[in-house]
Amino acid sequence: QQQVKQSPQSLIVQKGGISIINCAYENTAFDYFPWYQQFPGKGPALLIAIRPDVSEKKEGRFTISFNKSAKQFSLHIMDSQPGDSATYFCAARIPRKAGGTSYGKLTFGQGTILTVHP
Amino acid sequence: EAQVTQNPRYLITVTGKKLTVTCSQNMNHEYMSWYRQDPGLGLRQIYYSMNVEVTDKGDVPEGYKVSRKEKRNFPLILESPSPNQTSLYFCASSPIDRGTGEQYFGPGTRLTVT
Repeated sequence: QQQVKQSPQSLIVQKGGISIINCAYENTAFDYFPWYQQFPGKGPALLIAIRPDVSEKKEGRFTISFNKSAKQFSLHIMDSQPGDSATYFCAARIPRKAGGTSYGKLTFGQGTILTVHP
Repeated sequence: EAQVTQNPRYLITVTGKKLTVTCSQNMNHEYMSWYRQDPGLGLRQIYYSMNVEVTDKGDVPEGYKVSRKEKRNFPLILESPSPNQTSLYFCASSPIDRGTGEQYFGPGTRLTVT
């Protein structure tokens, strides 16, 4: 069962445009929602993250919008650049339980391949 | 430099031939994890470890083994690889109880089983 669903699978945007990637989750226990960016031949790296008590977080050209009631969150890349071309993964984390071993478990979405044309 | 290293980066093997992919981190992180990445499926967790000698199954553990005898190392073992284990594998580490819990990923190991 896919607990985090990501769309679209691929996205092509012109330089200067806005890239939008969406994710939906099912488990209301998730407490942390990061986005990871992966360049070809590299491992994923944390791009930006949000907690469910915040509706929006912005870092430079990257913004996460979070809708707790709809159980959805999205990544917006403003003024997209060719250097933003990468695979993007949304994720959701299960919180740590006292004495439990599940801390830090991230459930990832399917990934979005973003191509920004010059 | 703080990093997670994996070896080998590329591996082609045949069905049934045991192999080990090594993972090492130099950040003194307690938590380590293995993922496989497949097109359309994203990253799926294979096994994880909260600390030395503490390991547990992730979402897709069948056909894999791990061990955590030292804090810095977390090898992934395929006792009898099969073609459906052809994939891109990532090791990751993270601190517990400090920081944001960000996971740091290695560069990946591309495995082909024929």
